[in-house]
Amino acid sequence: ETGVTQTPRHLVMGMTNKKSLKCEQHLGHNAMYWYKQSAKKPLELMFVYNFKEQTENNSVPSRFSPECPNSSHLFLHLHTLQPEDSALYLCASSQARGTGKGYEQYFGPGTRLTVT
Amino acid sequence: GDSVTQMEGPVTLSEEAFLTINCTYTATGYPSLFWYVQYPGEGLQLLLKATKADDKGSNKGFEATYRKETTSFHLEKGSVQVSDSAVYFCALSGGTGNQFYFGTGTSLTVIP
Repeated sequence: ETGVTQTPRHLVMGMTNKKSLKCEQHLGHNAMYWYKQSAKKPLELMFVYNFKEQTENNSVPSRFSPECPNSSHLFLHLHTLQPEDSALYLCASSQARGTGKGYEQYFGPGTRLTVT
Repeated sequence: GDSVTQMEGPVTLSEEAFLTINCTYTATGYPSLFWYVQYPGEGLQLLLKATKADDKGSNKGFEATYRKETTSFHLEKGSVQVSDSAVYFCALSGGTGNQFYFGTGTSLTVIP
């Protein structure tokens, strides 16, 4: 596998379910990101991990819980979601975060989440 | 703070037409600039980048020049194809805020 992979690609869950999204990067990067992409809305940055430490949480509801066990893996644990949480969830990675350098981000294919 | 503004879509062009998607930015410091493309059902792919003023990024027939004097990074292609139909995002990174900023995306449809 190369680049950034995400599983599952599609997920349908009820509001009382608990599920997890997985992201893995094979690029040797040190920063990983979760984004939410909803129809007709700008891309929303949710969480940032830099060297396995969470450095940003952009006012994301607690029903979304990220986990980064190492620099290559990132999870997003989901519980008691709402229908408005239905969206495409994108994972990305970059060489690092901050330091003033403009590192490009590499994206996975996304998980299409539908909350019923 | 830093930001990116790109032209509203959707844009519809005939095959072989010339494409311009405008992007302007606001940033302090010396950001890098990017164009990403998102094909239907996929994630964002890096299309091209430029890291300093007057740099030209190019890939797959697309070009964009980093213009510091006009704070712009417009995407151009001389002859679009149906396969170029996608959403295009302008982005910047590495300004003073150390954040990665995306524009709102411009949807392009190319008709045969």
